[in-house]
Amino acid sequence: QVQLQESGPGLVKPSGTLSLTCAVSGGSISSSTISSSYWWSWVRQPPGKGLEWIGEIYHSGSANYNPSLESRVTISVDKSKNQFSLKLSSVTAADTAVYYCTRVFMVAGGGYYYYGMDVWGQGTTVTVSS
Amino acid sequence: AIRMTQSPSSFSASAGDRVTITCRASRGISNYLAWYQQKSGRAPKLLIYGATTLQSGVPSRFSGSGSGTDFTLTINYLQSEDFATYYCQQYYDYPRTFGQGTKVEFK
Repeated sequence: QVQLQESGPGLVKPSGTLSLTCAVSGGSISSSTISSSYWWSWVRQPPGKGLEWIGEIYHSGSANYNPSLESRVTISVDKSKNQFSLKLSSVTAADTAVYYCTRVFMVAGGGYYYYGMDVWGQGTTVTVSS
Repeated sequence: AIRMTQSPSSFSASAGDRVTITCRASRGISNYLAWYQQKSGRAPKLLIYGATTLQSGVPSRFSGSGSGTDFTLTINYLQSEDFATYYCQQYYDYPRTFGQGTKVEFK
């Protein structure tokens, strides 16, 4: 059973770079089947607010980002360590949030397309403050 | 970006009730919609994808319906463990976007 664990500093100074890693255990970050593929994503949740999708990456390195963050975000994958990472630069207090890493399944076939974040890390709180 | 709007934002219900949460997309998204449940202090959990398909292990009292712009999540016979916040999410287009959430509280 795949499990995800986020790690990284809980406190980042304004204008600095937030760096988080998500370790994947119980399965390979490169796994896919004939009928489905797995992507790996980051989602964040500011205190008391809703969920915001940050971006996602495939084990090949192909990535999609939220345009609202794209100029500051990089998501990368390290297959040798079975993990993926998030970097968010020029952070401000507005980037204070719980950051979750997730596994995303994508299944497409004749007339259907399924997508869901089916495995989540426990989340890690990142505070931006001097 | 496609805007997802949920209603109501919160409501109170009792165990045993049948509850319905609505999610509306700012433009048509076919059936490319997922629902998540989040309990306080916990990570979200996938309930439904493809607007109607129940994720493995999710109780059958949960069901989803809709297509195009209007969707619903229904919980039949609400149980104590169902008191949580529910989010819809579209995957028709990038960026993926979530509704603002609907909190189901105990009456």
